[in-house]
Amino acid sequence: KAGVTQTPRYLIKTRGQQVTLSCSPISGHRSVSWYQQTPGQGLQFLFEYFSETQRNKGNFPGRFSGRQFSNSRSEMNVSTLELGDSALYLCASNGRGTSGREITDTQYFGPGTRLTVL
Amino acid sequence: KQEVTQIPAALSVPEGENLVLNCSFTDSAIYNLQWFRQDPGKGLTSLLLIQSSQREQTSGRLNASLDKSSGRSTLYIAASQPGDSATYLCAVLGGSNYKLTFGKGTLLTVNP
Repeated sequence: KAGVTQTPRYLIKTRGQQVTLSCSPISGHRSVSWYQQTPGQGLQFLFEYFSETQRNKGNFPGRFSGRQFSNSRSEMNVSTLELGDSALYLCASNGRGTSGREITDTQYFGPGTRLTVL
Repeated sequence: KQEVTQIPAALSVPEGENLVLNCSFTDSAIYNLQWFRQDPGKGLTSLLLIQSSQREQTSGRLNASLDKSSGRSTLYIAASQPGDSATYLCAVLGGSNYKLTFGKGTLLTVNP
């Protein structure tokens, strides 16, 4: 089975711009979560999508949004970029709801998108 | 609010040594605890997952234990190798929003 894929792998943007990141989960998985990783704050939960609906949300401003498509692929959007948004953005795929699996099943992470805001 | 602490922040050992990484969490109401490995600039690789009802899990040279009541977990690595060098992160799944709360990690260096 192919793993979680994220595109693009690297992005450079300037302040005020917006950016869209993409995540394709493991085939058959319907849950996708997004995390932000920075040296200062570590890994922080952004949100989770399951069957095209946002189910959970972390403590991030409204500039951070996302969506999920019927094929379970997910996109994350950050508007009006700030310098502090520079980070590694990771998405995780989970087999929740598949073959009786629960969200307490293993989270599988993609390689991440490295966003640099200048 | 759940907080996860990992000690030590960094560890350097000679090849072949057995070692233990520690993880503690403040809220024992968790669904599971997961240990991950992260290589520089890369994503996370899942190593072991322990459900809240379990006490330990083993995979090869790795053994993870969980004491939910005391809010502690350990990751034991036997016969360490240079290829084990990476950052090891522990994360607990809990709360009404089923989010993973991560520790800051332990940077492990295994010297040949």
